[in-house]
Amino acid sequence: SAVISQKPSRDICQRGTSLTIQCQVDSQVTMMFWYRQQPGQSLTLIATANQGSEATYESGFVIDKFPISRPNLTFSTLTVSNMSPEDSSIYLCSVDRTSGRAPYEQYFGPGTRLTVT
Amino acid sequence: GENVEQHPSTLSVQEGDSAVIKCTYSDSASNYFPWYKQELGKRPQLIIDIRSNVGEKKDQRIAVTLNKTAKHFSLHITETQPEDSAVYFCATRGGGADGLTFGKGTHLIIQP
Repeated sequence: SAVISQKPSRDICQRGTSLTIQCQVDSQVTMMFWYRQQPGQSLTLIATANQGSEATYESGFVIDKFPISRPNLTFSTLTVSNMSPEDSSIYLCSVDRTSGRAPYEQYFGPGTRLTVT
Repeated sequence: GENVEQHPSTLSVQEGDSAVIKCTYSDSASNYFPWYKQELGKRPQLIIDIRSNVGEKKDQRIAVTLNKTAKHFSLHITETQPEDSAVYFCATRGGGADGLTFGKGTHLIIQP
């Protein structure tokens, strides 16, 4: 499986500010995904990021709040904008396995633990 | 959109006994059903998955069964060990969506 890293691993931010989370993969992948895991909860898909096109957002998530970039096949960023305490969560990126057949297995990065004060 | 229900939310079993976690889904177009294990402070780890053209899959002490007609799938862990203690999530994929829809999770506790 691909090796996925995220930066930062954790951060404490003030409300009203923005944080950009980076996701780096050690191989080229077509699909990258961003999920949110609120404290003690399950994972919720925020958006799908394809290289060369606009990200596709799930219901309840908007581009103004969570802008995403996907400049190439190994890298993506998620920005959490104008943060409030309700944004305190773990943010995880994930990628599809690059071999085999669809539907593909999906692997997760280590996550970014965000606390908004 | 897809809705995934997972039960139970907490499961406590004696070491050596079996554990079963069940999930139901709503989208008949879903065609991929993975299970993830998440230990405290760690990322979700894929432990087993099943595709819609298969009814059962086994990997050592772990098995997954799928009933597409009834739209439910289950995780079976036999001979449970202390290291099996974790939160387990079921998920679905397919029906035109590429991301995963997760159940709410099951906290599995293995009692020594």
